[in-house]
Amino acid sequence: DVKVTQSSRYLVKRTGEKVFLECVQDMDHENMFWYRQDPGLGLRLIYFSYDVKMKEKGDIPEGYSVSREKKERFSLILESASTNQTSMYLCASSSLGRYEQYFGPGTRLTVT
Amino acid sequence: GDSVTQMEGPVTLSEEAFLTINCTYTATGYPSLFWYVQYPGEGLQLLLKATKADDKGSNKGFEATYRKETTSFHLEKGSVQVSDSAVYFCALLNNDMRFGAGTRLTVKP
Repeated sequence: DVKVTQSSRYLVKRTGEKVFLECVQDMDHENMFWYRQDPGLGLRLIYFSYDVKMKEKGDIPEGYSVSREKKERFSLILESASTNQTSMYLCASSSLGRYEQYFGPGTRLTVT
Repeated sequence: GDSVTQMEGPVTLSEEAFLTINCTYTATGYPSLFWYVQYPGEGLQLLLKATKADDKGSNKGFEATYRKETTSFHLEKGSVQVSDSAVYFCALLNNDMRFGAGTRLTVKP
């Protein structure tokens, strides 16, 4: 079974803090994704990566950056957290090509 | 661009009732279609998929048929259980993945 793990299930940070969310997959997938999930809006893509050190902006990249130094690990960085970044963050991975995505359990981030 | 529209929730049913969650899509070409399920406090899990027109995806008693003529992929289950309470997402994969807004299902005993 594909396993995608995220570093924290719940996180509380203060406005202005730098926040790191980590994601690790164990299936040698080329593609990795970061989404945020908000009620009524479904999932919105923040960034994705199709290879080590490669990244592409998704639909809502503002206020976020990413890092992929190793194939299995994809990090989401909030340079200066703001209250409107309070959300559920979901990481996913998939094989190259048109294959389904596999999701981690999510990190619920609260910025106060 | 590509998009997915699914019926708004929440949907509340009694145990053993019939379930339909509507999903329609807009896309160029021939996307693959998916239903994902999210149980409380968890990430999304793939429930079923269909990769071409007239394919039927099925899993755990749920079914959905890829209808190109109506651009639909409605989710159905003949008899729901309390354990089916979750949020269901319809999604398509073309050049990238697009998700619907999700439909919350609550099944009461």
